[in-house]
Amino acid sequence: GQQLNQSPQSMFIQEGEDVSMNCTSSSIFNTWLWYKQDPGEGPVLLIALYKAGELTSNGRLTAQFGITRKDSFLNISASIPSDVGIYFCAGQLWNQGGKLIFGQGTELSVKP
Amino acid sequence: DVKVTQSSRYLVKRTGEKVFLECVQDMDHENMFWYRQDPGLGLRLIYFSYDVKMKEKGDIPEGYSVSREKKERFSLILESASTNQTSMYLCASPPPGQGAQEQYFGPGTRLTVT
Repeated sequence: GQQLNQSPQSMFIQEGEDVSMNCTSSSIFNTWLWYKQDPGEGPVLLIALYKAGELTSNGRLTAQFGITRKDSFLNISASIPSDVGIYFCAGQLWNQGGKLIFGQGTELSVKP
Repeated sequence: DVKVTQSSRYLVKRTGEKVFLECVQDMDHENMFWYRQDPGLGLRLIYFSYDVKMKEKGDIPEGYSVSREKKERFSLILESASTNQTSMYLCASPPPGQGAQEQYFGPGTRLTVT
């Protein structure tokens, strides 16, 4: 089946540093999504990308949909303690009714 | 705001017990999904449903079944719980339309099978 490889698996950074994580796939997707999960909660959508090459920002977050449609990255600038959590990428095909394929997650820790 | 609620945040069950996990959404969505989340594996799709009484297997349906008798409610059933089903279970429901990207998740049920 389709798989997503997300890296790194974990990051431990200092407050104020920039963060970068990425996902690659063996299959193409129509949509790439980035979610954040706070401890004890369900994932919350951060950014959705719909077109190859698209670059989208949401505050300090920037994500890009790769040209090949097989990869995506998420950058967080000037990290703050509340950025702590698990970040997931997810790929979606339009003809599968909302079904998502998730990456393994990147656990982010921010040291004040 | 869409609300997806799950009946329990934490559950502890014994091996062999029948377990019901309930998910309810309040926005009249047709699609509902059950995932399990394990460290290092991300979220994996167990079952999903496009409408009442309709169900489709996801990537890891073995050991699970589901029930969708009403549109707002999607139940995940472990017929005979086993220790390898100890996990976080997440229910999700996207709004209708092409892509349905904004998949709203419930808070999760952390199930421990002893």
